[in-house]
Amino acid sequence: GAVVSQHPSWVICKSGTSVKIECRSLDFQATTMFWYRQFPKQSLMLMATSNEGSKATYEQGVEKDKFLINHASLTLSTLTVTSAHPEDSSFYICSARRSTSGRYNEQFFGPGTRLTVL
Amino acid sequence: EDQVTQSPEALRLQEGESSSLNCSYTVSGLRGLFWYRQDPGKGPEFLFTLYSAGEEKEKERLKATLTKKESFLHITAPKPEDSATYLCVITGNQFYFGTGTSLTVIP
Repeated sequence: GAVVSQHPSWVICKSGTSVKIECRSLDFQATTMFWYRQFPKQSLMLMATSNEGSKATYEQGVEKDKFLINHASLTLSTLTVTSAHPEDSSFYICSARRSTSGRYNEQFFGPGTRLTVL
Repeated sequence: EDQVTQSPEALRLQEGESSSLNCSYTVSGLRGLFWYRQDPGKGPEFLFTLYSAGEEKEKERLKATLTKKESFLHITAPKPEDSATYLCVITGNQFYFGTGTSLTVIP
């Protein structure tokens, strides 16, 4: 149980185009999903927290107009990188937290999406 | 200041050579400590959750322990397939990530 998928696993696009990445919790409902970015040999950097049915909360320094997040259902969140540029090339990882109440539950991570912008 | 520090940054072990990875923290109001394993080019894989000091969890060759200031991930008789980066994540008022320990197990 607690499987999170991402699609696509890798994408190459031209500068100026937009790219959408999907994050799905396959066998549980997730009221909260997180989007991270990871550079080589560095730890994950939280970009935004996404709550189902409400606007995402972005971390300081993350452009909300560039990284559009939609959490339309309890099993799906999407990250759209708008007008992508080479500096947006990175490894994007999502995670989901189960909807059970009580303690802060562990996050389950997707396999990541490698974005390369030419 | 709330922070999480993992040590060592990198660790090379011979196959069968047991060792421990450390995660020390100064997070107020800790609500949970999580250990993950991350292989290159993949998302982190959940290993353990620890909630209170004195708690221990085991899975195969791995054992995680927690005190009020730190957590250890003990690796007993490691194998090459245990090579990965091990991440410590703490939940207080928000999530705090350690920078990870890169473990290499040499056959």
